[in-house]
Amino acid sequence: DGGITQSPKYLFRKEGQNVTLSCEQNLNHDAMYWYRQDPGQGLRLIYYSQIVNDFQKGDIAEGYSVSREKKESFPLTVTSAQKNPTAFYLCASRKQGFYETQYFGPGTRLLVL
Amino acid sequence: AQTVTQSQPEMSVQEAETVTLSCTYDTSENNYYLFWYKQPPSRQMILVIRQEAYKQQNATENRFSVNFQKAAKSFSLKISDSQLGDTAMYFCAFRQRGGGADGLTFGKGTHLIIQP
Repeated sequence: DGGITQSPKYLFRKEGQNVTLSCEQNLNHDAMYWYRQDPGQGLRLIYYSQIVNDFQKGDIAEGYSVSREKKESFPLTVTSAQKNPTAFYLCASRKQGFYETQYFGPGTRLLVL
Repeated sequence: AQTVTQSQPEMSVQEAETVTLSCTYDTSENNYYLFWYKQPPSRQMILVIRQEAYKQQNATENRFSVNFQKAAKSFSLKISDSQLGDTAMYFCAFRQRGGGADGLTFGKGTHLIIQP
């Protein structure tokens, strides 16, 4: 079954803690993305990666970090420097040159305790 | 930087009616892509329809069609014969074609409610 998986579905973070959100795709897509969605808002780009071992900051990268060691995986770490991490996080991927369309995972809801 | 504006925070129509969602955008680019995504209560983002700016013909996908006015920077979505399952948040999104920054720029969304 091809697709994009995100885990966990819900994640709780304590004060001062770093947490990592997982994103995996088996679509053989080249590019991967992380977005943040706040209530009443559209999605905002955090980071993206077009090839393995390379990634670029998006519009709201402060307090987040990523890695891209494998084509299939693009984990997002929410660090303690992110002061307002409560949000819905969506991962997406895209095949280069394939109608330029991004396909999304089911999302992770991050809550602060 | 590009911006996308959806001026209708919420709309409500009766089942089987036709509804049009508005989207305007601002860009200095000439080559780009435009998308409409649907986000039902499950929060899964689902592609509804896409348009390439260099194509003058409006895109259609079954009951969904767009009115793309490049000079006016307008990209509205028309849903015909609306169904209860169309109830969702709808987001308009923009992506620059070619080099430069990647990623989609989204509007804030329109909450569409289909009444039985």
